[in-house]
Amino acid sequence: AQTVTQSQPEMSVQEAETVTLSCTYDTSENNYYLFWYKQPPSRQMILVIRQEAYKQQNATENRFSVNFQKAAKSFSLKISDSQLGDTAMYFCASYTGANSKLTFGKGITLSVRP
Amino acid sequence: DGGITQSPKYLFRKEGQNVTLSCEQNLNHDAMYWYRQDPGQGLRLIYYSQIVNDFQKGDIAEGYSVSREKKESFPLTVTSAQKNPTAFYLCASSIGGGRILNYGYTFGSGTRLTVV
Repeated sequence: AQTVTQSQPEMSVQEAETVTLSCTYDTSENNYYLFWYKQPPSRQMILVIRQEAYKQQNATENRFSVNFQKAAKSFSLKISDSQLGDTAMYFCASYTGANSKLTFGKGITLSVRP
Repeated sequence: DGGITQSPKYLFRKEGQNVTLSCEQNLNHDAMYWYRQDPGQGLRLIYYSQIVNDFQKGDIAEGYSVSREKKESFPLTVTSAQKNPTAFYLCASSIGGGRILNYGYTFGSGTRLTVV
């Protein structure tokens, strides 16, 4: 079974600073995908970034980047130059083709302070 | 434009009543999913369907039922057997077949169910 753990329930960061959100996962599969989703107050889920397990290079999308440590099964999200619009709940998730479903962590509430 | 439509946005249910949440997609996706979201619990899988006329229980299926008679539609019924139905419900879809696209799932905008 897959599990995804987000141990920090809340974080706060000053606008323009950098913050890192932690995530660990557990899977017995060799081929899997990892995602970070953002859920703003509107509650619409928005994909932030995706990482394929077989790729060594860490994914990057503008101000968002990941630190993917496959051996440690760690998948943290770094947000640079934090903006007020980054205030949201962030979910880490894993997917394997074997069970064809996304498994989510419990999420972390990020607040960006002006 | 393609997407997923969930309705209604807000739903109120009296104790002992069954209610059905609607989820429709026009993305031609084979797989559809229902998640329940509670504070501090993240998203928990209720039911999912990989193909028409077939579906599987997720982690918290008790008190819920689904059907998948059409590819586009995956309604969720919250029965009176569900002891604590007040929650936010999210429907999602994906291409299916053990594959996943770059953007992962497509999500609906959710239904907030409240028992009164």
